[in-house]
Amino acid sequence: ETGVTQTPRHLVMGMTNKKSLKCEQHLGHNAMYWYKQSAKKPLELMFVYSLEERVENNSVPSRFSPECPNSSHLFLHLHTLQPEDSALYLCASSQFWTSGGNTGELFFGEGSRLTVL
Amino acid sequence: AQTVTQSQPEMSVQEAETVTLSCTYDTSESDYYLFWYKQPPSRQMILVIRQEAYKQQNATENRFSVNFQKAAKSFSLKISDSQLGDAAMYFCAYRTWGETSGSRLTFGEGTQLTVNP
Repeated sequence: ETGVTQTPRHLVMGMTNKKSLKCEQHLGHNAMYWYKQSAKKPLELMFVYSLEERVENNSVPSRFSPECPNSSHLFLHLHTLQPEDSALYLCASSQFWTSGGNTGELFFGEGSRLTVL
Repeated sequence: AQTVTQSQPEMSVQEAETVTLSCTYDTSESDYYLFWYKQPPSRQMILVIRQEAYKQQNATENRFSVNFQKAAKSFSLKISDSQLGDAAMYFCAYRTWGETSGSRLTFGEGTQLTVNP
């Protein structure tokens, strides 16, 4: 496989469930990102990992818990979510350092559509 | 903080015609990258075109070109000879970079483009 892959594509969960979103990148990048995409809103950056270390957490509620075991894999663990958390969650990867002609652009997965009942 | 504004929530164009999508941004930096991403119904964000701020020449990729006005902080996307496959949500994005924060993108709200046959 190439690129950035996300699973599952669709997820429906109750407010008391625990579930996880998975992202895998095959591009040799060293940074991975979680974005939240809600209707009529700009993409919201949630978490950034560089070399498996979290470098940014944009005031995301603790019911979202990221995990980056290595530079190729990123998880978003979900628990006791609220209906307003229903959205498309996009994973992306890039090279963290912009040197040697690297433009720092992000490569995205197809997203996981989350519905919280 | 950087902000990106897309003032056209929706646009439509006839097949084979030309359409221009607007984007403005606010920054105090002198060197940066700007991107246009396309998000078709399949949901995967795909890079359409990139522009580096220090380059005065407008970027071009086949039927896609930009009009980059650095002083005005404007970065519009022109699609020539529009095709049905161009129908998608288009996002303008600004890349910022920091030694500790790395590369990250700030997105506009998006413009939904409809191509009419």
